[in-house]
This record gives sequence, structure tokens and C-alpha cells, in this order.
Amino acid sequence: AQRVTQPEKLLSVFKGAPVELKCNYSYSGSPELFWYVQYSRQRLQLLLRHISRESIKGFTADLNKGETSFHLKKPFAQEEDSAMYYCALMGNQGGKLIFGQGTELSVKP
Amino acid sequence: DGGITQSPKYLFRKEGQNVTLSCEQNLNHDAMYWYRQDPGQGLRLIYYSQIVNDFQKGDIAEGYSVSREKKESFPLTVTSAQKNPTAFYLCASRSGTANTEAFFGQGTRLTVV
Repeated sequence: AQRVTQPEKLLSVFKGAPVELKCNYSYSGSPELFWYVQYSRQRLQLLLRHISRESIKGFTADLNKGETSFHLKKPFAQEEDSAMYYCALMGNQGGKLIFGQGTELSVKP
Repeated sequence: DGGITQSPKYLFRKEGQNVTLSCEQNLNHDAMYWYRQDPGQGLRLIYYSQIVNDFQKGDIAEGYSVSREKKESFPLTVTSAQKNPTAFYLCASRSGTANTEAFFGQGTRLTVV
């Protein structure tokens, strides 16, 4: 069965501090993993995907198959990073796209 | 104006009535999804469709029904059998190719009184 777990409902940091939003998954095959972000009053949108190994807005995420994790990291948080972040998984059998419970990131000045 | 559109933004219904939420996309996407978003529970998958005239149950399909008669449309009906229908509903679409992103609508807030 597919499952995505984000253990933190709320993460509060000060501007300039490092940030790590945790995501663990359960899937027997090779998953596609994503991070989505929802800023206040905006639509949910893609932040990054594991296959690209890219850095978007200073965020990176590395797939660790041994620990079945896909944690999102940023070395220096900015106030504009305050948003709701969702980790998502799609199995390699196609179709089913599921999300975690979400983590609210609050970056204080 | 391209994208994915949900209507209406707010919907009120009396208990015991069925209600249909609209989701339309002009992105030529094969796959479409319906999620329910509740505080503290994230997005939970209700139904999804990978191709016209075919759809699969998600994790919380009970009390809901869908149809996919056209590629661009994926309406969701919340039936009277759904025990807690008051929620925020999100529709999404994606091309169906591996590792492509999903695009989301603005959502519909359904309140059942």
C-alpha cells in the first residue's frame, strides 16, 4: 500500500535558520516523489520532484531509499517561505497520486 | 485562459441532498483527481481517472461518485451517504507521463447544513 507521512504539523523557525521538513513514505516499488507548496490564498503548486534533483527557491530534497525518506531542506529560511508544504507519492504502476498530511512552515522575522 | 477550473467556489446544501462539484481542464491532460482537504489530515484521495470512461476509487471513496465521459471534465457527486460531507474539495489534473506535475484547481468549499 502507498503511504506518505509528514510527522510535523507545524514547524516554526526564525529567518536565516536552516529548515528541514520531514517526509517518509511506504511503497514496495520505485516511487515518484514530489514536494508541493501552498502559499496563502494561492493554489497548490509543484515545488520540486525527486527525478530532477534540482534546487527551487533554495530548497532541495534527496530521496533516501534505505530510510524511505524524502526530506525537504533549505539552509537559510526566508519569511516568504511561510506556507503549507505537502509531500506526494506516485507509484510506478501509475495513476494513484497521494499526499501526506502537510506541514505548515512559519518563518519569523 | 488555460488551466483547471472548479465551480462553484462555495456551495451550500441541505443534509440528505446529493450535490455535484464541477471540474474542467483545458490542458489536454489524461489523468484527473479529486481530493478532500481537512485540517490536520492533508489531502485525501477520493477518486482518480487515468483515461476517459475509466476511473478508480481512492482511499476515501465511500459516499462519493464520479464520471469521466469527456477528457476535459471530471465531476464529483457527493451523495447523501457521505457521513461528513462538509469539507474543502480539490480537483487536479496531470498529463499522465511519468514524473509530471499535477495542476490544481482553486477548490470548492462545500457546507452541508
